[in-house]
Amino acid sequence: EAQVTQNPRYLITVTGKKLTVTCSQNMNHEYMSWYRQDPGLGLRQIYYSMNVEVTDKGDVPEGYKVSRKEKRNFPLILESPSPNQTSLYFCASSQFTYSSYNEQFFGPGTRLTVL
Amino acid sequence: TQLLEQSPQFLSIQEGENLTVYCNSSSVFSSLQWYRQEPGEGPVLLVTVVTGGEVKKLKRLTFQFGDARKDSSLHITAAQPGDTGLYLCAGAEYRLTGNQFYFGTGTSLTVIP
Repeated sequence: EAQVTQNPRYLITVTGKKLTVTCSQNMNHEYMSWYRQDPGLGLRQIYYSMNVEVTDKGDVPEGYKVSRKEKRNFPLILESPSPNQTSLYFCASSQFTYSSYNEQFFGPGTRLTVL
Repeated sequence: TQLLEQSPQFLSIQEGENLTVYCNSSSVFSSLQWYRQEPGEGPVLLVTVVTGGEVKKLKRLTFQFGDARKDSSLHITAAQPGDTGLYLCAGAEYRLTGNQFYFGTGTSLTVIP
């Protein structure tokens, strides 16, 4: 089944404790992206990647890191999480980077709480 | 930061009524997408519009892209309870490193049987 998977789905952690949220897609998609969703603010793009070893900042990259060492994986790293990073996070992928008709396929989401 | 403003933020209507959701921006986008999101799930693409003035229909849903490619609307005819969900618009901005996407704040629609 074609899908985007994220792990973990739920995470409660404490301020300053490094964490990684994994994202994997099995559709051989070029483009992958991370978003956070907060009430009243909608989805905001954190980082995106057009292919292996190519990443760029989205609208809200502060406090986050990403890497794209393999085409299928795009982990999101929080080196020192803070309470303002408590949010619902979504990973997404799409087949091509530049097509205007890019459909983004979203994962199921990771609900992160930082105490 | 590019802003996509959606209105209304919340909408509660009776089954069978018509409704329109608006997505407005001061910026020009290379394309605009509409997604629907249900509780506990990620957004799912409904449609992509690319050309200014473009109109697309998906059964009872009609999507329009403004002539200047800054705004869009979603019209639902004869709404059904299955249409309930969060509707999001998203504009794509071309960059050398790939498209950057900006999402609207969403319209939460409830259709009452």
